[in-house]
Order: sequence, then C-alpha cells, then structure tokens
Amino acid sequence: DVKVTQSSRYLVKRTGEKVFLECVQDMDHENMFWYRQDPGLGLRLIYFSYDVKMKEKGDIPEGYSVSREKKERFSLILESASTNQTSMYLCASSLRPDRDLTDTQYFGPGTRLTVL
Amino acid sequence: QKEVEQDPGPLSVPEGAIVSLNCTYSNSAFQYFMWYRQYSRKGPELLMYTYSSGNKEDGRFTAQVDKSSKYISLFIRDSQPSDSATYLCAIRGSNYKLTFGKGTLLTVNP
Repeated sequence: DVKVTQSSRYLVKRTGEKVFLECVQDMDHENMFWYRQDPGLGLRLIYFSYDVKMKEKGDIPEGYSVSREKKERFSLILESASTNQTSMYLCASSLRPDRDLTDTQYFGPGTRLTVL
Repeated sequence: QKEVEQDPGPLSVPEGAIVSLNCTYSNSAFQYFMWYRQYSRKGPELLMYTYSSGNKEDGRFTAQVDKSSKYISLFIRDSQPSDSATYLCAIRGSNYKLTFGKGTLLTVNP
C-alpha cells in the first residue's frame, strides 16, 4: 500500500513565524505535490516536483517555497506565516505517467495549519 | 470561466437512492478524467479514472464522460451511508497538473 505521511495533523503558529510542513512517501514516486484546501475554493496546487531538486510553481505559489533534497521527501516552507495561510495543507505523490497510465495521486491525511 | 465547475451541494439523499454528481470543464485539451472521494478529516483517494468518452463501471459506481459537451458525471447506485463523503472531480491535460472541482458534499441518510 502506498503511504504518504505528513509531519503533523494540526499545527498552530504565530504571524511571522517560519513554518515547515514535511511530507514523506514510501513508494518511490517521482512526482510530489503540495495543495491547500479551503471551503468554497477547493484544492489548489501550490507547488509540485517531478524529480529531486526540481520544482515548478502551481497556481498559488506566493508566500511559499519548497524543498526536495531526497526523492521520498517534499517540504513546504512558509517563510513568514500570515493569517491568510490558515488552511488545510495536503501533500500528494504519483508515479511518472509512463509508469502509471492512470497517473493516480496518493494523498496524505493533511495538516490543518492555523496562523494566529 | 473557471477551468472546472462543480456544484458544491450539499446533497442529501436516502439510503438506496441513485446519486448523480457532475462537473463541466472549459479546456478541450483535457484528456484524463478522475473522481476522488474524500472522507471527513482524510485526504482524497482515487475512486474512478477514465480517459475516453463513454461510460466506465466499477461496482455501484459509473463514471461518464462526454467530451463533446465537456461534461463528466459520477453515478452511485444503491447509495449507502458509507458513501457519505465529499466527491471531487479532477481533470488532467498532458502535464502533471490535476485541476480539481471544488467538491460536492454528499450525505446518505440511513
């Protein structure tokens, strides 16, 4: 079974703090993704990575950065947290399309981040 | 016009009902069509996948794609309380990126 784990289920931080969200997958997936999910806005892609040290901006990258030093780990960084970054953050991973025609994304359980 | 439109509901049905969930999309370059199910306090999980127009059936679930109308549907037959969840349509073009609908919250009442 594919397993995607996220470092915390719930996190409370203060405005201006630097926040690290960690995601680890155990199935040798090339692709990894960070989304945020907000009521009424759905799932929005922040960043994705298709290989170690490679990254591409998603739809809402402002205020975020990412790091992928190892294939299994993808970190989302909030350099200076703000209240509008309070959200549910979901990590996902998938195989390259040539290794999985369905290109299924496997999601972690999410981290609910509150910025006060 | 948003790339993917999905009625957020909520939708409440009695057990045993047939449920119809729908999405429309605007970009004809989209090639792959998926439905994800998300239980409360969990991440989404893939339910159905299709890449062509027509119907695909898996047990009580049928995914339907009409590329000419840019319309996708998910039907749930004999709905069960365990089907209560948020259902997200997801569409992909030729790159890695999935575009998700906002999700429809479904409650199946015993």
